[in-house]
Amino acid sequence: GENVEQHPSTLSVQEGDSAVIKCTYSDSASNYFPWYKQELGKRPQLIIDIRSNVGEKKDQRIAVTLNKTAKHFSLHITETQPEDSAVYFCAAKSSNDYKLSFGAGTTVTVRA
Amino acid sequence: NAGVTQTPKFRILKIGQSMTLQCTQDMNHNYMYWYRQDPGMGLKLIYYSVGAGITDKGEVPNGYNVSRSTTEDFPLRLELAAPSQTSVYFCASSYYRGQGEQYFGPGTRLTVT
Repeated sequence: GENVEQHPSTLSVQEGDSAVIKCTYSDSASNYFPWYKQELGKRPQLIIDIRSNVGEKKDQRIAVTLNKTAKHFSLHITETQPEDSAVYFCAAKSSNDYKLSFGAGTTVTVRA
Repeated sequence: NAGVTQTPKFRILKIGQSMTLQCTQDMNHNYMYWYRQDPGMGLKLIYYSVGAGITDKGEVPNGYNVSRSTTEDFPLRLELAAPSQTSVYFCASSYYRGQGEQYFGPGTRLTVT
């Protein structure tokens, strides 16, 4: 099955700086890569996703890049704000499957 | 739309007791999932369903059972609760075979003592 590794496990950034989280996946048939944000005590919510026919996608201050050859994808948050503090999960889905495989999560803390 | 709803929000069980966690979605999604999230950890898939009457095991199915008699409901049954099942349980649903947003319920916090 698919195996997703996520790094780093914790990330502390100064407000206004950028944050980058990286994930690798094992199944070359994976074709869908979402990112979820989970605030403390809340449910995970989708913030951005990318499909395998696209190399990069942006939505305001967040962007995701995908390198299919290297089998890795990254989340970039620019101009970080205190409300960006949360746990971020990457995930991958194989074209042969119905379910997502999640990374272990990255706890992002934005220092004021 | 209420989205995905879960009951109860909190529950304390004694070792060996059983209970059912309820999950309902009103978005007419075919795909539904149960995850558990241990403190400070990621999401582990317990069971999933691709439609009424069809269920399959995820990564950590031992100690749990599910059923899917309707599109809307996907209850998770815990038999003979053990302390290792202390966790937060999330139900989720999606429209298109897992590709596309998974909508999560608010979660059920379960403690087994």
